[in-house]
Amino acid sequence: DSGVTQTPKHLITATGQRVTLRCSPRSGDLSVYWYQQSLDQGLQFLIQYYNGEERAKGNILERFSAQQFPDLHSELNLSSLELGDSALYFCASSVAAGVTGELFFGEGSRLTVL
Amino acid sequence: ILNVEQSPQSLHVQEGDSTNFTCSFPSSNFYALHWYRWETAKSPEALFVMTLNGDEKKKGRISATLNTKEGYSYLYIKGSQPEDSATYLCAASQGAQKLVFGQGTRLTINP
Repeated sequence: DSGVTQTPKHLITATGQRVTLRCSPRSGDLSVYWYQQSLDQGLQFLIQYYNGEERAKGNILERFSAQQFPDLHSELNLSSLELGDSALYFCASSVAAGVTGELFFGEGSRLTVL
Repeated sequence: ILNVEQSPQSLHVQEGDSTNFTCSFPSSNFYALHWYRWETAKSPEALFVMTLNGDEKKKGRISATLNTKEGYSYLYIKGSQPEDSATYLCAASQGAQKLVFGQGTRLTINP
């Protein structure tokens, strides 16, 4: 158990809909990262937050948004869903803002868009 | 755009044999290199984080080296066991942001 909690574990929805994925980082970790893993793709970096502030942005679509709340949990909002958004979404946390500390991954949220 | 390449994509090894695989990344503005082990139906777990050229790290039968000047890292597994079967991911960053993952090397240990 990494200490990172993601909900929901599985989600099935229809095209055009909006969903919210939630992540609670390990106790004491201030950084939260979101990654997307689509079929036959590696982990694609979406966005990172550190202590409530956006720190780095990757290949995140405009239809997607995220935030980190004062209690450090984070939410990833996916809207106007398309079939291609079906993927496993991972949240990871680390203590510091930079990339010299290891990431602790949650178990992922599997999104299926029908 | 930071491109992290791992080779081979998959590997089958006999139990007891040793093996290694490669992670390649751009050497310019290198900041950190991570290795993760990802077992099926679980989440990735960190093996090593390396930042300095020439770094060598070891955890049990698994070790890793880093060459930042030429942009590669090797992961070695000595005396492979069935429980070593997993996908091994490496991730690199340029600057202090955006840890970018490679596609992974899927390792299968044949008993």
